[in-house]
Amino acid sequence: NAGVTQTPKFRVLKTGQSMTLLCAQDMNHEYMYWYRQDPGMGLRLIHYSVGEGTTAKGEVPDGYNVSRLKKQNFLLGLESAAPSQTSVYFCASSYSRDRGPDSPLHFGNGTRLTVT
Amino acid sequence: QQQVKQSPQSLIVQKGGISIINCAYENTAFDYFPWYQQFPGKGPALLIAIRPDVSEKKEGRFTISFNKSAKQFSLHIMDSQPGDSATYFCAASSRWGAQKLVFGQGTRLTINP
Repeated sequence: NAGVTQTPKFRVLKTGQSMTLLCAQDMNHEYMYWYRQDPGMGLRLIHYSVGEGTTAKGEVPDGYNVSRLKKQNFLLGLESAAPSQTSVYFCASSYSRDRGPDSPLHFGNGTRLTVT
Repeated sequence: QQQVKQSPQSLIVQKGGISIINCAYENTAFDYFPWYQQFPGKGPALLIAIRPDVSEKKEGRFTISFNKSAKQFSLHIMDSQPGDSATYFCAASSRWGAQKLVFGQGTRLTINP
């Protein structure tokens, strides 16, 4: 049982380049989330999904796109990377409210992205 | 706009002492308040959580105190141990729909042996 797996673990991009971060979970969770973590700012929600084929904006969605074509996968895309997107990105998943009102978020170990 | 404010940013406690981290929230629609613990190089993991219908919840050495009228809640770690050294985040969300947690800024806790 791997839990939540994020790839890659590290990446360096140049301004304007694009990339996709992959998140996979094997817990059959309905909900999935992408957060970014910056020093002194905690974690901020970028986008989330409540089920296969659905996505929604979080607190800081600008410059990012997401897709959830399969229940177990949630992709985060950066179309034209900017230095302000240098951050540590965390994917998380949880059961739906129906299956667990206080179901915890299970986080991956993060992707450290540097944009130069 | 930071909807959940956490203090202090860093905290050093001697082994066996009590660690206290405080949080305040603004949105009265929040009704679920978890604390997450994060070790270096790892993702956050749920430590303990509370709903606003109780004023205190205890799990082992960890206790959440909740003050609904003041819109504040705090984490107390009793008999702090070096293994408790980590970054702690308070968070808040509504208990309906997706669990869109709003996190505090984090507290880096160091327990000196």
